Amino acid sequence: AQSVTQPDIHITVSEGASLELRCNYSYGATPYLFWYVQSPGQGLQLLLKYFSGDTLVQGIKGFEAEFKRSQSSFNLRKPSVHWSDAAEYFCAVGFISNFGNEKLTFGTGTRLTIIP
Amino acid sequence: DGGITQSPKYLFRKEGQNVTLSCEQNLNHDAMYWYRQDPGQGLRLIYYSQIVNDFQKGDIAEGYSVSREKKESFPLTVTSAQKNPTAFYLCASSRPGVYQETQYFGPGTRLLVL
Repeated sequence: AQSVTQPDIHITVSEGASLELRCNYSYGATPYLFWYVQSPGQGLQLLLKYFSGDTLVQGIKGFEAEFKRSQSSFNLRKPSVHWSDAAEYFCAVGFISNFGNEKLTFGTGTRLTIIP
Repeated sequence: DGGITQSPKYLFRKEGQNVTLSCEQNLNHDAMYWYRQDPGQGLRLIYYSQIVNDFQKGDIAEGYSVSREKKESFPLTVTSAQKNPTAFYLCASSRPGVYQETQYFGPGTRLLVL
């Protein structure tokens, strides 16, 4: 069965510092991978997605992620964080179920705190 | 503006009561989803629908029911059989296709038990 692991529950970063959020997945076929961001009490917003092709994916708000098949990882990076980046970040893997339906499996999330 | 609306923002349920959460989208998406979010557990799929008048159980469907009579609407009912309903509920929609389409999310409804 497919699964997503986000090993860091909470990360604290200084404003202006670089950021890397880790995501590892388990899925037998070629994965479709997503990163979403959620501000407190809000819905999820898509940051970026990987379907195929170039393994370095650019997203909104200056984020990027790199797909590494050999490590089953899809880590999210940003070279310089801003206070507005404080939020919860979710990695997800998309797959086709046995009934032919498209579904997402989410990780448990990483909460990002930014300090001045 | 196209998007997904959920109402109400906060909902209070009494013991033994059924409550219904609304989800409406004007994105012309065929597929719609309901997720439950609890602290530290990420999002878990309750029900999903790929087309009108058809829906399937997700991973945690017990104590919930849905209907899909219109393309735009996918209401979720939390029944009295759901013994721990306090959570944040998120609705999403997407265009089903050969490749995984992006799911777009609504702002959520927080359900609290009185």
